[in-house]
Amino acid sequence: AIQLTQSPSSLSASVGDRVTITCRASQVINSPLAWYQQKPGKAPKLLIYDASNLETGVPSKFSGSGSGTDFTLTISSLQPEDFATYYCQHFNNYPRFFTFGPGTRVDIK
Amino acid sequence: QVQLVQSGAEVKKPGSSVKVSCKVSGGAFSSNALSWVRQAPGQGLEWMGGIIPMFDEANYAQSFQGRVTITADESTTTAYMELSSLRSEDTAVYYCARDQRRDDNDVYYYAMDVWGQGTTVTV
Repeated sequence: AIQLTQSPSSLSASVGDRVTITCRASQVINSPLAWYQQKPGKAPKLLIYDASNLETGVPSKFSGSGSGTDFTLTISSLQPEDFATYYCQHFNNYPRFFTFGPGTRVDIK
Repeated sequence: QVQLVQSGAEVKKPGSSVKVSCKVSGGAFSSNALSWVRQAPGQGLEWMGGIIPMFDEANYAQSFQGRVTITADESTTTAYMELSSLRSEDTAVYYCARDQRRDDNDVYYYAMDVWGQGTTVTV
């Protein structure tokens, strides 16, 4: 099964910083990859689907890119509400299952 | 607007079972696909399994095979996740989520766009 790793596992950043989180798959992915934001005590929120498509209602400061084994989530200008944990996720169609990355925690510097 | 509403918190003894429900409203229940995801305290997200009610077919993560059963009741538009042989490590928040949707061009997208509020299970 495909394994996902994320780097860094945590980071400290300041308001206004540009932040990039990487998700690496253990083998080439030809199927959907998504990114989620989760705040403490809340359900995850979908940010990006199909590696680079912005979910409706999500601010354009979030962007996703990548293909093959390496994918990135970028926050162009970090705001106080963006301090959270971010997860990548892969979908495998046959058999049908999902895999989450371990998460990247973004803290205030 | 699809909404998912889960049943309330549960406290269970080791070795027992728990059944969590997820009521779906505002959309076509049968054609939706639903996943169950859990999160232990301070840990990441873990996919447990999912179901497509239209096909009444469930898929499970290997780590939960034999211990989890996911079902769907079309008459009440409710999905269920039952976890048996509970142990302390099963203490977690359990979420249901819609994991596929179809756009106006009949293109399917696979990501969890709608989530339930979560159900805390304490063992």
